[in-house]
Amino acid sequence: DVKVTQSSRYLVKRTGEKVFLECVQDMDHENMFWYRQDPGLGLRLIYFSYDVKMKEKGDIPEGYSVSREKKERFSLILESASTNQTSMYLCASSRRFPMNTEAFFGQGTRLTVV
Amino acid sequence: QKEVEQNSGPLSVPEGAIASLNCTYSDRGSQSFFWYRQYSGKSPELIMFIYSNGDKEDGRFTAQLNKASQYVSLLIRDSQPSDSATYLCAANTGGFKTIFGAGTRLFVKA
Repeated sequence: DVKVTQSSRYLVKRTGEKVFLECVQDMDHENMFWYRQDPGLGLRLIYFSYDVKMKEKGDIPEGYSVSREKKERFSLILESASTNQTSMYLCASSRRFPMNTEAFFGQGTRLTVV
Repeated sequence: QKEVEQNSGPLSVPEGAIASLNCTYSDRGSQSFFWYRQYSGKSPELIMFIYSNGDKEDGRFTAQLNKASQYVSLLIRDSQPSDSATYLCAANTGGFKTIFGAGTRLFVKA
C-alpha cells in the first residue's frame, strides 16, 4: 500500500518561529510536492522537487524554503512563521515517468500560527 | 496565470441520482486531467484521470474531456451519501506541475 506520511497532523507555533514540516514517501517516487490548501482557494503549489537536492518554486514560495537531501524525504521550512501561514499543508509524491501521473497525498498538517 | 475553474457548490443531489461536476481550464497545452475526491479533514485521493477526448468510465464514475472547449466533467451515477465530499479537478500541462481547482462540494441526500 502506497504511503506518504507527514510528521504531524496538527501544529501550533508562535509568530517568528522557524517551523519544519516533514514528509516521507515509501514509493521510490522522483517527484515530491508541497501544497497549501485554504478555503475557496484550492491547492496552491509552494515548492516541488523532481530529484534529490533539486527544487523548483511553485506559485507561492515566499516565506518558505525546502530541503530534499534524500529521495524519500522532502521538508518544508517556514523561516519565520507568520499568521497568514496558518493553513492546511499537504505533501504529495508522484513518479517522474511517465509524465502526468497521479499524485499521492499525505494526510495533511494543519498549522496554526498564533 | 494558468487556471482551473470549478463551481464551488454545494451541489446537492438526491440519493440514486446522477451528480454532474464540471471544470474548465485555461491552458490549451494541458494534456492530462485528474479528478480527486477529498472528504472533510482528509487528504485528496484520485478517482479518475483522462488524457484523450471523449468519455472514460470506471464503475459509477465517468470522466468526460473536450479539449476544444477546454472542459472536463465528472459524472457520478447512482449517487450515494458516501459520495458526499469535495471534488477537485486538476490539469497538467506536461511538466512537473499540476494545477488544481478550488473544488466543488457535493452533498448527496439520503
